[in-house]
Amino acid sequence: GNSVTQMEGPVTLSEEAFLTINCTYTATGYPSLFWYVQYPGEGLQLLLKATKADDKGSNKGFEATYRKETTSFHLEKGSVQVSDSAVYFCALTNKAAGNKLTFGGGTRVLVKP
Amino acid sequence: GAVVSQHPSWVICKSGTSVKIECRSLDFQATTMFWYRQFPKQSLMLMATSNEGSKATYEQGVEKDKFLINHASLTLSTLTVTSAHPEDSSFYICSALNAGATYNEQFFGPGTRLTVL
Repeated sequence: GNSVTQMEGPVTLSEEAFLTINCTYTATGYPSLFWYVQYPGEGLQLLLKATKADDKGSNKGFEATYRKETTSFHLEKGSVQVSDSAVYFCALTNKAAGNKLTFGGGTRVLVKP
Repeated sequence: GAVVSQHPSWVICKSGTSVKIECRSLDFQATTMFWYRQFPKQSLMLMATSNEGSKATYEQGVEKDKFLINHASLTLSTLTVTSAHPEDSSFYICSALNAGATYNEQFFGPGTRLTVL
């Protein structure tokens, strides 16, 4: 079956630091890959996505590249802000899963001023 | 566009009572909606897949008689927690599949926090 592994948090950073959250996956075929963000007390918001190999998803300064050869989809941001403090989830879906999302465990990020 | 709402956003109830949570797609039709449960500081656990006009498909280990799901229209799915107990306290999140999009993307509601006393 499908699975997603992402680095455990919490990750604590200073403002303007570089952020990387590793995500690797196991799936058949060519899954679609996603990063979601969850702010305290809220639901999930789609941050970015990539639907085929070598695609780069980007949004709000965050980027992630779909690497088929390493089955990875690492999230990066060059200069974080306090407002980026949240929990980040890597996820995937494919036809075999019938559009069900498989989530990683989530990574809590805390950015200090 | 592609907004999903949930109601209520939070609810406190007594043990033994039933609670209904609504999930609505506001500006698109959703033939499929998903219900998730999230425990504190944990990831989302898929409970069931709700298809308009048919019975929900429950994940292994989820009691269908405990968590009743109804998807009566293309914009509304409801989750009823029957005879709630304190262990049912959790954050419940729904998502709706926008099948009309370029690819099948799930849009998430803001969640409902249930506390059972």
